[in-house]
Amino acid sequence: GENVEQHPSTLSVQEGDSAVIKCTYSDSASNYFPWYKQELGKGPQLIIDIRSNVGEKKDQRIAVTLNKTAKHFSLHITETQPEDSAVYFCAASPSDDYKLSFGAGTTVTVRA
Amino acid sequence: GAGVSQTPSNKVTEKGKYVELRCDPISGHTALYWYRQSLGQGPEFLIYFQGTGAADDSGLPNDRFFAVRPEGSVSTLKIQRTERGDSAVYLCASSLTGSTGNTEAFFGQGTRLTVV
Repeated sequence: GENVEQHPSTLSVQEGDSAVIKCTYSDSASNYFPWYKQELGKGPQLIIDIRSNVGEKKDQRIAVTLNKTAKHFSLHITETQPEDSAVYFCAASPSDDYKLSFGAGTTVTVRA
Repeated sequence: GAGVSQTPSNKVTEKGKYVELRCDPISGHTALYWYRQSLGQGPEFLIYFQGTGAADDSGLPNDRFFAVRPEGSVSTLKIQRTERGDSAVYLCASSLTGSTGNTEAFFGQGTRLTVV
């Protein structure tokens, strides 16, 4: 099955700086790569996703890049704000449905 | 509300007891997923329903776990003879069609199960 690894496990950044989270996956058939933000006591919420036919996608302060050859994808958050503090998960799906394999998560803390 | 609703939000049970966890998906969503999230980990897939049928139950850890969705809307995850290792947050998600190509999956807030 698919195996997703995520780094770092914790990330502390100064407000206004950028945050980068990296993930690798094992199954070359994976073609859908979502990123979720999870706040305490809540379920994961989709913040951005990318499909295998695209190398980069941007939505305001958030961007995701995908390198299919190397089987890795990254989340970039620019101009971080305190409300960006949360746990972020990457995931991958090889089956065109939401049977997702998640990474272990990155706890992001934005220092004011 | 318009989101995925899970009840109860918290459940404490004694080892060996039976529990049921309920998920109310977004109205009209045909696809429903159950995940389990252990402390400090990412969610792990358990089972996927398309309509009333289980399209993929490969993530259920053993035969103590069972899930149903008899009318294609509400789903119940059932755990028999609970063990302390079953303690986790159980998440439910639903999507309109189940395809990642054209729909988003929405997660509920989860049920935190504690087996003592």
